[in-house]
Amino acid sequence: DVKVTQSSRYLVKRTGEKVFLECVQDMDHENMFWYRQDPGLGLRLIYFSYDVKMKEKGDIPEGYSVSREKKERFSLILESASTNQTSMYLCASSTGGSGSYEQYFGPGTRLTVT
Amino acid sequence: QQQVKQSPQSLIVQKGGISIINCAYENTAFDYFPWYQQFPGKGPALLIAIRPDVSEKKEGRFTISFNKSAKQFSLHIMDSQPGDSATYFCAARGGAIQGAQKLVFGQGTRLTINP
Repeated sequence: DVKVTQSSRYLVKRTGEKVFLECVQDMDHENMFWYRQDPGLGLRLIYFSYDVKMKEKGDIPEGYSVSREKKERFSLILESASTNQTSMYLCASSTGGSGSYEQYFGPGTRLTVT
Repeated sequence: QQQVKQSPQSLIVQKGGISIINCAYENTAFDYFPWYQQFPGKGPALLIAIRPDVSEKKEGRFTISFNKSAKQFSLHIMDSQPGDSATYFCAARGGAIQGAQKLVFGQGTRLTINP
């Protein structure tokens, strides 16, 4: 069974803190993605990775960085959390290849920055 | 800018009725259009998808209608059931880098089916 897990379901951090969100997939997928989900805005892509140590910016990368040291793990880092980064963060993975479009999502981490 | 526009934001339908959610896109290079379903506390999951070379795809009670000339596509849920209550997202394939398919998502529709 396909599985994407995220380290925390709920997280509360203070403004200025460094925040790490972890995502692990057990499907040996090449691609991993980080989205944020906000009401009325849908899912917006922050960063994605198509291989270990490789990363690409998505549509809203400002204020975020990522790390992928192992194939199964993709971390999202908020260098200095701000209140406008309060959101639901979703991790997803997909297999590589031109015909493989389905993305498998984790349950999400609801981050509140106070 | 939002490349895929979805409407309505929320929808209430009676049990047994037809639920219809619409999406419009601008980029004619999009070539794959999935719909994702998200239940509370869960991540989105692929529901059904279509490519622009067909006008309709049906899977059980779920149908995608696709109008390439109008750059619109819609999800129809026939005989809607309370278990269909969820948030639905349309999406479009927005390109690929090294096999990583980028999806552009609509704003989402919260569907409630009243028993």
